Amino acid sequence: AQKITQTQPGMFVQEKEAVTLDCTYDTSDQSYGLFWYKQPSSGEMIFLIYQGSYDEQNATEGRYSLNFQKARKSANLVISASQLGDSAMYFCAMRNNDMRFGAGTRLTVKP
Amino acid sequence: NAGVTQTPKFRVLKTGQSMTLLCAQDMNHEYMYWYRQDPGMGLRLIHYSVGEGTTAKGEVPDGYNVSRLKKQNFLLGLESAAPSQTSVYFCATVHRGRVTEAFFGQGTRLTVV
Repeated sequence: AQKITQTQPGMFVQEKEAVTLDCTYDTSDQSYGLFWYKQPSSGEMIFLIYQGSYDEQNATEGRYSLNFQKARKSANLVISASQLGDSAMYFCAMRNNDMRFGAGTRLTVKP
Repeated sequence: NAGVTQTPKFRVLKTGQSMTLLCAQDMNHEYMYWYRQDPGMGLRLIHYSVGEGTTAKGEVPDGYNVSRLKKQNFLLGLESAAPSQTSVYFCATVHRGRVTEAFFGQGTRLTVV
């Protein structure tokens, strides 16, 4: 079965600095997709970024970029220029047919 | 354009009661998923469907059943609710071909007393 691992239960970052949230995955499939979601304290799931396993370029969406290293099976999220509103839970997910999530990382941005 | 709608948003059940959660989508997506999220934890996959008339088990399927009789609806049933099923339930959908994101419902907060 697919397994998603987020090894950082909590992270702190100073406002305006960059932060990297780690995500590794385990699959024997060649075709899969990787997602990052943000969940603020209000509870909704907010889509941030998507990377397909066959995409050659790393995905970017505004201040978010995904550092995709296929051989290492890692899909780390980089948030540049952190803002106070970035404080939230962040989840990595992998999808082939089913779609599974990691345990999440709680990011706190300090002023 | 509603996207993904979950019904109900909140519910309190007594132990042993049954209920059905509805996930309705208007985006013609093939893939649909049900998750539960316990406090301070990630989303765990209960069941999923890759198309109308199909269902498959996820990570934590025990105590739940699902049906996908119509493409736009994915139902999650609890036959005999237990306090351990107190959780927030999320539904998500994905397009088969043009995958850009998984679309989530707003969640259903279920309490079993």
